[in-house]
Amino acid sequence: GEDVEQSLFLSVREGDSSVINCTYTDSSSTYLYWYKQEPGAGLQLLTYIFSNMDMKQDQRLTVLLNKKDKHLSLRIADTQTGDSAIYFCAESSDGGSQGNLIFGKGTKLSVKP
Amino acid sequence: DAGVIQSPRHEVTEMGQEVTLRCKPISGHNSLFWYRQTMMRGLELLIYFNNNVPIDDSGMPEDRFSAKMPNASFSTLKIQPSEPRDSAVYFCASSLKAGSPLHFGNGTRLTVT
Repeated sequence: GEDVEQSLFLSVREGDSSVINCTYTDSSSTYLYWYKQEPGAGLQLLTYIFSNMDMKQDQRLTVLLNKKDKHLSLRIADTQTGDSAIYFCAESSDGGSQGNLIFGKGTKLSVKP
Repeated sequence: DAGVIQSPRHEVTEMGQEVTLRCKPISGHNSLFWYRQTMMRGLELLIYFNNNVPIDDSGMPEDRFSAKMPNASFSTLKIQPSEPRDSAVYFCASSLKAGSPLHFGNGTRLTVT
């Protein structure tokens, strides 16, 4: 079945850039998502990219998609301590027939002052 | 909009007791999802509904788990009887339609002793 893989941990210093990577197996993915989970809270949608795009930028966030390699990355520029959280990659196939997203296990980002 | 509302936020119960978790999706959203999150297994989809109809319950662990959606604004997840291995955070999420970004509630932390 479909699978989404992420590294479990990433540690960076405040002010540096963070890059969180994700690979997926479903070649029919139409949308790919990044969610953020802060302690004690649910997942919050950060950004998403349509599969026919290579890049999407939203303020400090840059999403890069390499569809050939099925590789997705999230870059956070000028990382702040408030960015410390778990980041989940998720993919969605044709929304008409499949309702659920497939999530990775999440990458815990720790930002050191 | 108040977002997805889950209750209770915390539930502590003894093994063998019945547990009912509740969810109110965002008004106008047609899809509703129940997820379970543990350290070991990450985020697991238990069941999802489209237009109040259960579409895929293959993630429900066993017959002790049941979910209902009697109307568009309310869903329950019931565990009867509960076991210590059911201890987890249970999230409800809703989306506008199948395949759209999910909006998560803040979860119910269930502890079964």
